[in-house]
Amino acid sequence: DADVTQTPRNRITKTGKRIMLECSQTKGHDRMYWYRQDPGLGLRLIYYSFDVKDINKGEISDGYSVSRQAQAKFSLSLESAIPNQTALYFCATSDPTGLQGGYTFGSGTRLTVV
Amino acid sequence: KQEVTQIPAALSVPEGENLVLNCSFTDSAIYNLQWFRQDPGKGLTSLLLIQSSQREQTSGRLNASLDKSSGRSTLYIAASQPGDSATYLCAIETSGSRLTFGEGTQLTVNP
Repeated sequence: DADVTQTPRNRITKTGKRIMLECSQTKGHDRMYWYRQDPGLGLRLIYYSFDVKDINKGEISDGYSVSRQAQAKFSLSLESAIPNQTALYFCATSDPTGLQGGYTFGSGTRLTVV
Repeated sequence: KQEVTQIPAALSVPEGENLVLNCSFTDSAIYNLQWFRQDPGKGLTSLLLIQSSQREQTSGRLNASLDKSSGRSTLYIAASQPGDSATYLCAIETSGSRLTFGEGTQLTVNP
């Protein structure tokens, strides 16, 4: 099994719908992140969490919310999806010591909002 | 604010050639630098992690270097193969455990 698992892999949704992207990890890392990737804009940080009680906004958090249900689970919600949220979304974990290879990314969720 | 630039944006080489990908950054106060590989529409695969106290890391045919004073890192790929074709991303971890990514170099290795 993958160290960082994202579900679903692909999703098409309509404008105005609420959607949740889920992420689970087996790395045992406390730190988890959500990024989005857009052509020409690279990867940008949406939200991050250093433990279950710690949630922080990234550079592009507007229109998104997150929930850290457990050390291993971090979900991203779009409360009312809009077309410019169409992107490839990645969940990641990190080991701050660097001893476990730094950041580990999931395979991504391709979201299309129509 | 940390800014990361990767040059070139795209590179096409014949199989067997040695090549160098470049990454530059504006803030030398970094914790780590990590190189990733991304295949089209896929996730990011970690290649090498260089901690701020290190100068280089090697894995197989890959060698990454870090020069904090000049704000530069290079990824050297020896004896390139068609399977190396992918986008290579450089990412800098700064304070607050946040990654800043470059936009990547798209590498094509032709048989």
